[in-house]
Amino acid sequence: EVQLVQSGAEVKKPGESLKISCKGSGYDFATYWIGWVRQMPGKGLEWMGIVYPADSDPRYSPSFEGQVTMSADKSITTAYLQWNSLKVSDSAVYYCVRRSSNTFLLSPFDSWGQGTLVTVTS
Amino acid sequence: EIVLTQSPATLSVSPGERATLSCRASESVSRNLAWYQQKPGQAPRLLISGASTRATGIPARVSGSGSETEFTLTISGLQSEDFAVYYCHQYTNWPPSETFGQGTKVEIK
Repeated sequence: EVQLVQSGAEVKKPGESLKISCKGSGYDFATYWIGWVRQMPGKGLEWMGIVYPADSDPRYSPSFEGQVTMSADKSITTAYLQWNSLKVSDSAVYYCVRRSSNTFLLSPFDSWGQGTLVTVTS
Repeated sequence: EIVLTQSPATLSVSPGERATLSCRASESVSRNLAWYQQKPGQAPRLLISGASTRATGIPARVSGSGSETEFTLTISGLQSEDFAVYYCHQYTNWPPSETFGQGTKVEIK
């Protein structure tokens, strides 16, 4: 069974750094792109970018380029999303997602993590 | 950036009836369009990929159609578990520049 298990909720202050994680299991982690999706309180879904675990190669949405860093460690089947300096506006639920195909680049997200709630407050 | 516009924002439907949701793309996405269902407090779930292919475990009363810029998600014989928010998602470009629609809430009439 494919599973993506994310790290727990975080409460941070503006300006602090943060790294959240997403551990994959039940499939060949290295060969499936892992993406990140933001959902701000009461709002819709926003695609942030994706990373290829085999070589930790990230691709970012223009809206998030320079704001976050995506990486992956295939040896422990874990992907990461990190911020160097959080803002109040970063408060949201963040989902990691897996591409449904490791052979077709154009494919949707068939598995979702449970979500990590990030709250940034002074 | 390709913009996906979903309509209506909210759809009020009685149990047992049919719900028809629309997703319009600002430019062609071919058939690289998926639909997801999200219930309160839960992660979204993939329903449809490639515009019309049901994901594993999705019942036949859920169907998708369309291509290029116009897409439809139809849910027949609405059941209590179908009342949720539905999002479309396009994944047509490489390097990737994906987008989601703003969502349609299906509520009990």
